[in-house]
Amino acid sequence: RKEVEQDPGPFNVPEGATVAFNCTYSNSASQSFFWYRQDCRKEPKLLMSVYSSGNEDGRFTAQLNRASQYISLLIRDSKLSDSATYLCVQRGSSNTGKLIFGQGTTLQVKP
Amino acid sequence: DADVTQTPRNRITKTGKRIMLECSQTKGHDRMYWYRQDPGLGLRLIYYSFDVKDINKGEISDGYSVSRQAQAKFSLSLESAIPNQTALYFCATSDRLAGEEDTQYFGPGTRLTVL
Repeated sequence: RKEVEQDPGPFNVPEGATVAFNCTYSNSASQSFFWYRQDCRKEPKLLMSVYSSGNEDGRFTAQLNRASQYISLLIRDSKLSDSATYLCVQRGSSNTGKLIFGQGTTLQVKP
Repeated sequence: DADVTQTPRNRITKTGKRIMLECSQTKGHDRMYWYRQDPGLGLRLIYYSFDVKDINKGEISDGYSVSRQAQAKFSLSLESAIPNQTALYFCATSDRLAGEEDTQYFGPGTRLTVL
């Protein structure tokens, strides 16, 4: 079983739609979680951190459910520019800074 | 100018050749990382370095070696390239862990094809 699992999609949604991605993780000792965004053939970039209390940044909301070992990303009022691959990422339990990446979920927002 | 640069950006080589991928950063970060990305597998860590004298293997280090020539430079070598090393390679940097705000910054990637 992969340490971080995501539905690869693609998720095809119309502009203005609300879309949610989930990601499950197997290491319950993980301390930190993130969502990175990766545009086609480009480098990943940090979208937002995921805190136990939840985290909202404009149209984006990230939540962590430790009991069920999943994190989620909600995008409201989707824009064409949101089309990308979203990578679920966890930092390992040791103090090393090592990140473990999911394979990514691809979002296509259609006009 | 980009904070994290990688050279070359694209490379096609033949089986058995020695290849070096280079990474430079101007962010002043201590920590540097090399990942490879394959379709359907996500990014996987090859090697990482916390400072010039500290080099560590990641989850898929076999067939690779690294050199941390300076704080700003971290190179990845394939001593004898093989076709299953065809992938997109990313270098990344981060500062010392500072609570939960530590972020990794990625270079633009090197697309390597081994024939």
